[in-house]
Amino acid sequence: QSVLTQPPSASGTPGQRVIISCSGSTSNIGSNFVHWYQQLPGTAPKLLIYRNDLRPSGVPDRFSGSKSGTSASLAISGLRSEDEADYYCATWDDSLSVVFGGGTKLTVL
Amino acid sequence: EVQLLESGGALVQPGGSLRLSCTASGFTFSTYFMNWVRQAPGKGLEWVSVISGNGGRTYYAASVRGRFTTSRDNSKNTMYLQMSSLGAEDTAVYYCAKGISSIVAVPDAYWGQGTLVTVSS
Repeated sequence: QSVLTQPPSASGTPGQRVIISCSGSTSNIGSNFVHWYQQLPGTAPKLLIYRNDLRPSGVPDRFSGSKSGTSASLAISGLRSEDEADYYCATWDDSLSVVFGGGTKLTVL
Repeated sequence: EVQLLESGGALVQPGGSLRLSCTASGFTFSTYFMNWVRQAPGKGLEWVSVISGNGGRTYYAASVRGRFTTSRDNSKNTMYLQMSSLGAEDTAVYYCAKGISSIVAVPDAYWGQGTLVTVSS
């Protein structure tokens, strides 16, 4: 049982916009930045979004993040087949730990 | 170029011990938090521990607290994870990951390739 709650799966067709949610509490998302990672099969995670809504260099602007209260969202617009991957949210928890969401498997139909 | 290279993964018997290493290059190692994150086969990411840049602060997930110890040697740009009382639930790929900054511990863009720890008799 993960501290941050994500839907286990999401899907969309090429070109669509998909949103993945991440729900937490006042001790984690409510008081700290949220970060998002993409993990392709057999590879290490890749940082997609940091500090709620910032993109590292090289990440397409099709990926965007937002946060409101104790929830955060990752939006992927113009969905492409190569976006098929697992997506994780993460943040610091005031109990002195890093917490991850359980992950969302994105399928491009 | 930032690089992180884990080593030390192995097959170990239940109740045994193992030490993992993570050697870093391409950044000022002593400045950053460093994390261990693991992923059991077919499962999601699980944060294990984090250590501050000077090694003075370490934090652990409840699942490993008291069994795992994270340390670092900044003169060697290397972080360690000493694991003991290993059980089947510790079987996973273990990643080291650089923290976002000297203040923000959460992993950033730089992760190692992972090292596999298998606990089995």
